[in-house]
Amino acid sequence: QQQVKQSPQSLIVQKGGISIINCAYENTAFDYFPWYQQFPGKGPALLIAIRPDVSEKKEGRFTISFNNSAKQFSLHIMDSQPGDSATYFCAASSQGGKLIFGQGTELSVKP
Amino acid sequence: DAGITQSPRHKVTETGTPVTLRCHQTENHRYMYWYRQDPGHGLRLIHYSYGVKDTDKGEVSDGYSVSRSKTEDFLLTLESATSSQTSVYFCAISDSQGSSPLHFGNGTRLTVT
Repeated sequence: QQQVKQSPQSLIVQKGGISIINCAYENTAFDYFPWYQQFPGKGPALLIAIRPDVSEKKEGRFTISFNNSAKQFSLHIMDSQPGDSATYFCAASSQGGKLIFGQGTELSVKP
Repeated sequence: DAGITQSPRHKVTETGTPVTLRCHQTENHRYMYWYRQDPGHGLRLIHYSYGVKDTDKGEVSDGYSVSRSKTEDFLLTLESATSSQTSVYFCAISDSQGSSPLHFGNGTRLTVT
């Protein structure tokens, strides 16, 4: 019940295309859903986060879509750029709980 | 990188030897965490601390111990390293528990031969 399942494991997108990464969870107590971006040799860094009171949050080219009834959330990267090539992790936590991470998605944006 | 320093950055050790990894923060955050990152498994929590001398286990704590004698330092010890502990280890900090962002260090790559 604590798992967060992330897909796909890897993704190749052409420059200018849309990258979509999906996550699913089971624990209905989760109330915080962040996405982290990780470049090689670096630690993950917070990219964008959402709480269940909104269905969508947009920051620049990055958008989180959230479906509480389906217990799913996704990251959309519009106009994907080669500099977006990185590993992306979704995560979830409940109040007072610890972050549970998805398995990660390795994104490669081809020029 | 949010004032987090991990040392060493790389280490190669032999099976059966003890290993200690260090995490040092300059943010005065109360919560500190140790994660390991392995392909296909994402980031898994090993141990965490919610204050000086206050620690608790995460989901993959077997074979690991931690200590926190000062707010700024959190040590991870592998008492007797095994090949299954070959991984990249990340320290993270946060100022509150649960619905709060984590700030990660740049990791320690540990190889157990």
